[in-house]
Amino acid sequence: SQTIHQWPATLVQPVGSPLSLECTVEGTSNPNLYWYRQAAGRGLQLLFYSVGIGQISSEVPQNLSASRPQDRQFILSSKKLLLSDSGFYLCAWSLGGGLDTQYFGPGTRLTVL
Amino acid sequence: QKEVEQDPGPLSVPEGAIVSLNCTYSNSAFQYFMWYRQYSRKGPELLMYTYSSGNKEDGRFTAQVDKSSKYISLFIRDSQPSDSATYLCAMSANSGGSNYKLTFGKGTLLTVNP
Repeated sequence: SQTIHQWPATLVQPVGSPLSLECTVEGTSNPNLYWYRQAAGRGLQLLFYSVGIGQISSEVPQNLSASRPQDRQFILSSKKLLLSDSGFYLCAWSLGGGLDTQYFGPGTRLTVL
Repeated sequence: QKEVEQDPGPLSVPEGAIVSLNCTYSNSAFQYFMWYRQYSRKGPELLMYTYSSGNKEDGRFTAQVDKSSKYISLFIRDSQPSDSATYLCAMSANSGGSNYKLTFGKGTLLTVNP
């Protein structure tokens, strides 16, 4: 069966510091991968998605970036965090080829102080 | 008008009640409909997935889609305290290609009181 991991689970960072969140998927090959941010009262905001290694599409202009160095690894980064980057970050995966259902990881709660 | 509207609640019901959760949407291209359950501080988990209009049942959960009214519902029978969570509706237009984006409602917070 497929599993998705995210780490760290919780992170507290000062403004201006860098960020690296990691997501890995097990039990499937060539998944579509997604990064979302969930802020209170604002729902799920799609940040990036990837259909393959090195292929990243950005949904929202911001100071975040994403990379997919391996088939089942997805990384969310920032060079300098802003207060507004605080939130709950979720990674998700789906099968390619027409199936829309996305499966979410446990999330990373980021607080920027 | 937002693409997907969902009443945020909160909704509080006694144990054993029938719960009705709803979403409306404006994009007639949406074809795939999902319901996710999210416990506090956890990632959303898929509950139900439907493609066409009509009902789909899974245990105590029933998903209903009315494409003519652009309205979807999730019914929970014999609700339990363990059903207390935020419920998110999601939908997709399946526009082709190898990536499929979901449009989410903001979620309804449900509390089932013992």
